[in-house]
Amino acid sequence: ETGVTQSPTHLIKTRGQQVTLRCSSQSGHNTVSWYQQALGQGPQFIFQYYREEENGRGNFPPRFSGLQFPNYSSELNVNALELDDSALYLCASSLGSPEMNTEAFFGQGTRLTVV
Amino acid sequence: QKEVEQNSGPLSVPEGAIASLNCTYSDRVSQSFFWYRQYSGKSPELIMSIYSNGDKEDGRFTAQLNKASQYVSLLIRDSQPSDSATYLCAVKSASGYSTLTFGKGTMLLVSP
Repeated sequence: ETGVTQSPTHLIKTRGQQVTLRCSSQSGHNTVSWYQQALGQGPQFIFQYYREEENGRGNFPPRFSGLQFPNYSSELNVNALELDDSALYLCASSLGSPEMNTEAFFGQGTRLTVV
Repeated sequence: QKEVEQNSGPLSVPEGAIASLNCTYSDRVSQSFFWYRQYSGKSPELIMSIYSNGDKEDGRFTAQLNKASQYVSLLIRDSQPSDSATYLCAVKSASGYSTLTFGKGTMLLVSP
């Protein structure tokens, strides 16, 4: 148990719909990152939040958006879902600012299936 | 383009043997290196972190880092069937957004 909690654990959506995934970071962890992991691949960085501001973004289109709240929890929103968005979505939290040498701990993930 | 390369495997070892997992990375200013273990259908679990050249030991696990060669490895001594999983190498850069770049992972199979 890492203390990072994601919800829901599984989700099935129809192509074109919108989805919101949620993450509660480990206590005191103020940096939250989101990753997408397709089957057989390593996690791919989507974006990172620090002190409620986006602090980096990977190669994902604007229909992927996010938020971080004052309690450091975070949301990932995906609009206009496509079949290729089917993946395991992972949230990771870490203590301190992003450039520090700190460890990142993952939640259990949300398995999203788009049909 | 920051890249992290791992042999996809599977790497098969008998129970009790030493498993050696390797990783190379392209970004010369990488500062932090991590090994995660991922069981099928589960999320990655951090097992080792290493920040400076040399060896770091934690129980049955030893991480080795050689920044000059841009190479990091993980040794698992006395391998157990419960060690069978995919091992992900992750690298954090000192430039840009300081995020983790992952390899595709190496599948380890430990046979009883």
